[in-house]
Formats: sequence, structure tokens, C-alpha cells
Amino acid sequence: DTEVTQTPKHLVMGMTNKKSLKCEQHMGHRAMYWYKQKAKKPPELMFVYSYEKLSINESVPSRFSPECPNSSLLNLHLHALQPEDSALYLCASSQGAGFGFRGRSEKLFFGSGTQLSVL
Amino acid sequence: TQLLEQSPQFLSIQEGENLTVYCNSSSVFSSLQWYRQEPGEGPVLLVTVVTGGEVKKLKRLTFQFGDARKDSSLHITAAQPGDTGLYLCAGPMDSNYQLIWGAGTKLIIKP
Repeated sequence: DTEVTQTPKHLVMGMTNKKSLKCEQHMGHRAMYWYKQKAKKPPELMFVYSYEKLSINESVPSRFSPECPNSSLLNLHLHALQPEDSALYLCASSQGAGFGFRGRSEKLFFGSGTQLSVL
Repeated sequence: TQLLEQSPQFLSIQEGENLTVYCNSSSVFSSLQWYRQEPGEGPVLLVTVVTGGEVKKLKRLTFQFGDARKDSSLHITAAQPGDTGLYLCAGPMDSNYQLIWGAGTKLIIKP
């Protein structure tokens, strides 16, 4: 199983709503990521979890709250979002979290993403 | 600051033509990766190049890592409509061991 599964595929929410994005992988990967991607742009790193602990938060606003309940699951809780937060939210995983650390070359596996629209 | 610049940003060609996409930097990278992303999907890793001067082939796709490990190219021979997508290069940052991404090349192959 080399899949990263994300749900839902599409999400429309109002600025006062609370919703959650879910991500699951069963490859035994110890690192999981949330990326945000605007149309025609590269992915932007939001959060990195390594061994179920938050290791990187790229100055993401607090209206985005990540959670890693166990080594296979990653959630992104959304609250009071703004229309400019509309984007494709991608979950990814890798065996380890250190790209280039001690020359290591990790492989990043992405899910299909959640297309989020904030009205 | 490590940066990756991709060119061209957009390329639209006829089926059967050849093309080359570039990923350049003024910084040395320990490795570079190429991903392809189709609309509504996440990026899929195509290849990782690690050694300066390395050439890797994936069917009609040829990837090269520059001798100085500052640049990489992707050459597609006899492009097919199935090659359509956003091609992204990425490399590890020294500062936090995460990937830095190029802006991408949007490729359209017309039948």
C-alpha cells in the first residue's frame, strides 16, 4: 500500500464554520506533512510531524490547527478561515523527515488533496 | 538563500515533439527531485538525482543533474498527451532539511 488517503476531496465552508481535513497512510512512514497549494503555484509547507510530534510550523495562522493522533493519521482542524485560505490542501508522508540530512534522500508521497473553498 | 528557478514557466507543444525543462540554482544541492502533478491531484515523484553529472531515464523522460549539482534538466522525447501536467523540481534546504520547490513548468501536449 503506497497510498496517502485524504478526505474530503472537496470542502466548501463559511468563515464561521469549523471543519477538519483528514489524512491517513499505512506505509509505516514516520513523517507527515501538510502543504497548501494555490493554483499554478508550488506547494507551500505548513506543518511537519516527525514521530507524531510537531517539528516544524511555518508561521501558519492559528486558525489552522494540526493534530497527529497516531503514526498513521494526520488531521488539520480549520476554524474562522478567510476567503484567501481557499486552496488545495495536500497531505504527504515520508520515511523520515530530514531531506538531505546526512545526505539522506527521502521520497515524499502525496495524497490527492482537499480542494477547499471558503465563502 | 537557496532558490530553485524553473524555466520555461509554461510550454505548449504538439504531440511527438521533444522538449526540455530546466531547474537552476546558484546554490549547491545534495540532491534534486522532479515531480509531476496533474490537475486535482497531488504531485508524484518521478526521480531523485544525487550524483553530479548523473543521468537517469524513465521511459521517454531523461533527467540530468549538473556536474556542480546546481542545476537539473528534464528532457521528454516524443511527447504524448499523457505527459501533460505541472512539472516541479525540489531540493533539500540546508537550514531545516525540508524541500524547497521551484515554481513549476506547466506543460500541455496537444494531440
